[in-house]
Amino acid sequence: GQSLEQPSEVTAVEGAIVQINCTYQTSGFYGLSWYQQHDGGAPTFLSYNALDGLEETGRFSSFLSRSDSYGYLLLQELQMKDSASYFCAVEEEGYQKVTFGTGTKLQVIP
Amino acid sequence: SQTIHQWPATLVQPVGSPLSLECTVEGTSNPNLYWYRQAAGRGLQLLFYSVGIGQISSEVPQNLSASRPQDRQFILSSKKLLLSDSGFYLCAWRETGGSYEQYFGPGTRLTVT
Repeated sequence: GQSLEQPSEVTAVEGAIVQINCTYQTSGFYGLSWYQQHDGGAPTFLSYNALDGLEETGRFSSFLSRSDSYGYLLLQELQMKDSASYFCAVEEEGYQKVTFGTGTKLQVIP
Repeated sequence: SQTIHQWPATLVQPVGSPLSLECTVEGTSNPNLYWYRQAAGRGLQLLFYSVGIGQISSEVPQNLSASRPQDRQFILSSKKLLLSDSGFYLCAWRETGGSYEQYFGPGTRLTVT
């Protein structure tokens, strides 16, 4: 089966940089996605990595190492509105199946 | 543009009662469809996914079932709810053929009493 591990909570200061890690175990790995979810809302897509390396989208970047079964989401210039839960998700190749991690609750403080 | 609908938004049901949650997608054809459940303050648990009409893959058999009677309609059901079925139920869709982004509906908050 699949398993994904993330830290449960992270606290960071406004304007700082924070990294949220994700390690996974799955068969037929195809790609790693990141989603943001504010309290009471639905998850929204942030980024996707299928190949090793760093993908940058504005203040957010995501990294993947397939050999290490590891990825991270990097948030720069933190803003108060970034306070939310962040989930990594893996896609199994050929199955269209997407499994989410346990989520990391990020609190941005002044 | 594509939109995804879920209803109802909130639901309170007694233990042992049946359940039917509906999800529909507009503006796309042959999407992959997903049902997730999220307990309070927890992660998203994949319940079912479907790659086509009548094709359902179950991740959590328990007392829940899913059906896809039409291309863009996905239904989550239970004959007898348990207290542990309480949670936030999210439907999501994704394009077939390699697209990786999932689009989530607004969710249904179910409380079993």
